[in-house]
Amino acid sequence: NAGVTQTPKFQVLKTGQSMTLQCAQDMNHNSMYWYRQDPGMGLRLIYYSASEGTTDKGEVPNGYNVSRLNKREFSLRLESAAPSQTSVYFCASSNSNQPQHFGDGTRLSIL
Amino acid sequence: QKEVEQDPGPLSVPEGAIVSLNCTYSNSAFQYFMWYRQYSRKGPELLMYTYSSGNKEDGRFTAQVDKSSKYISLFIRDSQPSDSATYLCAMSASRTGTASKLTFGTGTRLQVTL
Repeated sequence: NAGVTQTPKFQVLKTGQSMTLQCAQDMNHNSMYWYRQDPGMGLRLIYYSASEGTTDKGEVPNGYNVSRLNKREFSLRLESAAPSQTSVYFCASSNSNQPQHFGDGTRLSIL
Repeated sequence: QKEVEQDPGPLSVPEGAIVSLNCTYSNSAFQYFMWYRQYSRKGPELLMYTYSSGNKEDGRFTAQVDKSSKYISLFIRDSQPSDSATYLCAMSASRTGTASKLTFGTGTRLQVTL
């Protein structure tokens, strides 16, 4: 049982490049979330999807887009990467009345 | 001012010690409280999940919530080197899951030494 799987694990980009972070869960959860984690800032919610077909902005959505491809998959896209987006990105999933389960993250550096 | 405050540490204790980790919060709407453990280069892993005020025990771990003081604690008894990690508190105003958003503390780094 893999839980929440994120790809890639590491990525280095140049300013202005685009990329998509992938997330898949095999727990049949309805809700999925994208966070970023920065030193001294804790985990901050970027976007979430309460259920298949819906997405909503979180605390720090600027510069990002998301797609809930199906119930299992939720991707995060950076259209034009900026150095301020250097961070560790975590995907999580949950069902109603249950806590969120996290993947192991994608470490993203933007030069 | 942050909604959730957590001392970043690092906190260093000898093996076998009792560890106390704490968070304070300002939003009185928070009802659901969680503690996550995060090892280096890994994602947060759920340790404890409590609703409203009171205590919850699971093995060596005890979670306490005092809503009147807006204060939550995690106690670790008989601490082990394998407990060395960053501990994150998180809380929610609604049931975790659909349309629920967690607010996290910044995490406390714990090191348990031999």
